[in-house]
Amino acid sequence: NAGVTQTPKFQVLKTGQSMTLQCAQDMNHNSMYWYRQDPGMGLRLIYYSASEGTTDKGEVPNGYNVSRLNKREFSLRLESAAPSQTSVYFCASSNREQYFGPGTRLTVT
Amino acid sequence: GEDVEQSLFLSVREGDSSVINCTYTDSSSTYLYWYKQEPGAGLQLLTYIFSNMDMKQDQRLTVLLNKKDKHLSLRIADTQTGDSAIYFCAESNDYKLSFGAGTTVTVRA
Repeated sequence: NAGVTQTPKFQVLKTGQSMTLQCAQDMNHNSMYWYRQDPGMGLRLIYYSASEGTTDKGEVPNGYNVSRLNKREFSLRLESAAPSQTSVYFCASSNREQYFGPGTRLTVT
Repeated sequence: GEDVEQSLFLSVREGDSSVINCTYTDSSSTYLYWYKQEPGAGLQLLTYIFSNMDMKQDQRLTVLLNKKDKHLSLRIADTQTGDSAIYFCAESNDYKLSFGAGTTVTVRA
């Protein structure tokens, strides 16, 4: 069991570039989540998918889109990256308690 | 809305007990969680407590819940250097978690 995996681990983008962060889980969980972590602010929910086929906005969805590709995979897309999106991004999955991936460290210059 | 607060820093001597405190606002939370984050890593679920419980013990970890005061604490007995990390409390609301900003625990020899 790999748990929750995320790719890439690190990424540097220029302002205006786009990219997709990938997340997959092998625990047969129904729900999946994307968070961002910024210093002193804990984790803030960007989007979540309560079950396959549904997605909903979290606390900070602006500038992001998501796709729940199937039960295993949930991707996060930045269409036009901005320096304010420099952060560490975590994916999580759950049936009750949430399990987290190792994170993607994104820098936007 | 949900609001979870924690003190930001705790310094403890190796071998002593650590107590990390958390307050939350959502009285309808069904589960409350403690996560641990080591440098450069994702969040690791440490323990959780159901809202109708007062206490839960798991090896060196003791969780106390005062539902009337909306106060949650995590006690780590016999604190070791490997316990140095950031500790997050989180409350659940439906599918979503709301996190505190995290308490950085430093264990000194």
